[in-house]
Amino acid sequence: LAKTTQPISMDSYEGQEVNITCSHNNIATNDYITWYQQFPSQGPRFIIQGYKTKVTNEVASLFIPADRKSSTLSLPRVSLSDTAVYYCLVGDPVSGSSASKIIFGSGTRLSIRP
Amino acid sequence: GAVVSQHPSRVICKSGTSVKIECRSLDFQATTMFWYRQFPKKSLMLMATSNEGSKATYEQGVEKDKFLINHASLTLSTLTVTSAHPEDSSFYICSARSGGYNEQFFGPGTRLTVL
Repeated sequence: LAKTTQPISMDSYEGQEVNITCSHNNIATNDYITWYQQFPSQGPRFIIQGYKTKVTNEVASLFIPADRKSSTLSLPRVSLSDTAVYYCLVGDPVSGSSASKIIFGSGTRLSIRP
Repeated sequence: GAVVSQHPSRVICKSGTSVKIECRSLDFQATTMFWYRQFPKKSLMLMATSNEGSKATYEQGVEKDKFLINHASLTLSTLTVTSAHPEDSSFYICSARSGGYNEQFFGPGTRLTVL
């Protein structure tokens, strides 16, 4: 299973763009990259998922370079409510495969200030 | 997205008793469900993976006789903490995934406090 490395914490201000980078040097060919957000005492919430290049949805963008050894979650114009822990996960989505379980890394604790 | 529920949301029990936590996929069939535990300010730790109709696969260091997992149907998995002790106090989170689908949907979690 690919291990991920993220910054432990980040601080930013309302209205700023926040980029959180995740390293996954031993990512496998079938692995997808998924980011989750977690607020205190809640389950993780899916943000975005990608395999290569760039993916964008209504809340974030995900940038993945050609070698796929890292990825960057970009949150445009953050607000106070974006204060949370963000997890980068790498895994094989094939159902039933022993490699399909998802292991959480330490995550990045993002704090947004007024 | 799909919805996963957990019941109860929080439970307090005495040491030595058993506690059952339910995880349900409300609007999809979950061929695979996962159970995690999370201590304060720590990341989620995978405890076990269960596929409907088969025995759960436990992660190294997780006692299968203490944490009983049953995945009897495509919409329900249960985690029973047997003979609970204060060190079992934690936040337990389940997740579910339907067959062939990338995304894993998480429940809201269950806060277990053992006195």
